[in-house]
Amino acid sequence: DSGVTQTPKHLITATGQRVTLRCSPRSGDLSVYWYQQSLDQGLQFLIQYYNGEERAKGNILERFSAQQFPDLHSELNLSSLELGDSALYFCASSLGQKNTEAFFGQGTRLTVV
Amino acid sequence: KNEVEQSPQNLTAQEGEFITINCSYSVGISALHWLQQHPGGGIVSLFMLSSGKKKHGRLIATINIQEKHSSLHITASHPRDSAVYICAVRGGSEKLVFGKGTKLTVNP
Repeated sequence: DSGVTQTPKHLITATGQRVTLRCSPRSGDLSVYWYQQSLDQGLQFLIQYYNGEERAKGNILERFSAQQFPDLHSELNLSSLELGDSALYFCASSLGQKNTEAFFGQGTRLTVV
Repeated sequence: KNEVEQSPQNLTAQEGEFITINCSYSVGISALHWLQQHPGGGIVSLFMLSSGKKKHGRLIATINIQEKHSSLHITASHPRDSAVYICAVRGGSEKLVFGKGTKLTVNP
């Protein structure tokens, strides 16, 4: 158990809908990262937050947004869902802002039908 | 060309064999990570390294910064080592760039 909790584990929704994925980092970790893993693209970095502030941005679509709350949990919001958004979404947390080991959650499997 | 290339893509071994998975990258990095992803999907961080060599149990990771190359070795492989092994590099920003993974199957 990495100490990172993601909910829900599975999510099935229809095209056009909006969903929210939640991540609770390890106790004491200030950084939260979101990643998308699809069959054709592999793992891709989406976004990083550190202590409530956005720190780095990757290949995150405009339809997607994220935030980190004062209690350090994070949410990834996906809207106007398309079939191609079906993927595993991972959250990871780390203690520091740079170059510290990251611990991964078990992922949320999103299926858009 | 991907920034991170792994080889081989697939690897089948017999229990007890010595395994090597390679990772080459084309950008300057501050750190390289080796990750393990089991069939259930969960990802475990195995190593983070920026120079030299690290060892944890039967796993050894090495990196050569000049040659932009890293290897992950598994000694005395076991069926429970069957997983996808992913190399990822961290450049100047905190963005991690991932290789496509090496699927390892260890047969009893």
